[in-house]
Amino acid sequence: KAGVTQTPRYLIKTRGQQVTLSCSPISGHRSVSWYQQTPGQGLQFLFEYFSETQRNKGNFPGRFSGRQFSNSRSEMNVSTLELGDSALYLCASSLSGTTITEAFFGQGTRLTVV
Amino acid sequence: DQQVKQNSPSLSVQEGRISILNCDYTNSMFDYFLWYKKYPAEGPTFLISISSIKDKNEDGRFTVFLNKSAKHLSLHIVPSQPGDSAVYFCAFYSGAGSYQLTFGKGTKLSVIP
Repeated sequence: KAGVTQTPRYLIKTRGQQVTLSCSPISGHRSVSWYQQTPGQGLQFLFEYFSETQRNKGNFPGRFSGRQFSNSRSEMNVSTLELGDSALYLCASSLSGTTITEAFFGQGTRLTVV
Repeated sequence: DQQVKQNSPSLSVQEGRISILNCDYTNSMFDYFLWYKKYPAEGPTFLISISSIKDKNEDGRFTVFLNKSAKHLSLHIVPSQPGDSAVYFCAFYSGAGSYQLTFGKGTKLSVIP
C-alpha cells in the first residue's frame, strides 16, 4: 500500500516568489492536513481538507492557501515568499470523517527561501 | 500559550533497558492522543495512539499510558533498541470537530548500544 507522497522533496525559491506543493494521500483517505515544521516553532498546523472542503485552518497569514481535488490530492500554495517561510512542509492523510483516526505523514517538502 | 509540553528535550538510554518519554498537556478538550517518531529530513511516523476512554494501550514493544486527571501521557519502549534513536513527538486531537493535531516540541531519544 503506497504511503503519502509529497512533491517536490526540495525546493529553493527567492523572496517574493510563490510556490505550490503537492500531496497525494494514501488510497482511500479523504482527509489531508498540512503542517509546517521549523526549529523554533516545532510542528504547526496549517489547514485540513476533507472531500474538497477546508474544515480547519491554523493561525497562518492569508499568503498560505490550499485546496483539495476530487481524487483527494491536495496542493498548498504560498504567495509572496518571505525568508521566514523556509521550513519543512508536511502533509498528512487520514480516514477521519466524523471520527478521528490516526494521521500518516509524507516525507515532506524542504522549502528554502533565499 | 503552550498547550503541550515535553519537558525533556533529550534522553539517553542503554540498549535493552526501558525508555520512558513523557508529555504534559493543559487542554482538557484533548480526547485522542498519539505518539510519532521522526528521523531527520523525514516525516513523522505514527507509532501508537490512545483514546481518552482508555488508560493504556500496547503494541509490541510500545505502550502508551494516559493519566487524564494529571493530564499526563507517557510512552514506554521495552526493550529499547539502537534503531529507536529518533525524535519522539506526542500529539493530540481535541474533540468537537477539530481535525488538527497539536504537537509537543519533541524529545530526542538516543539508545546506546
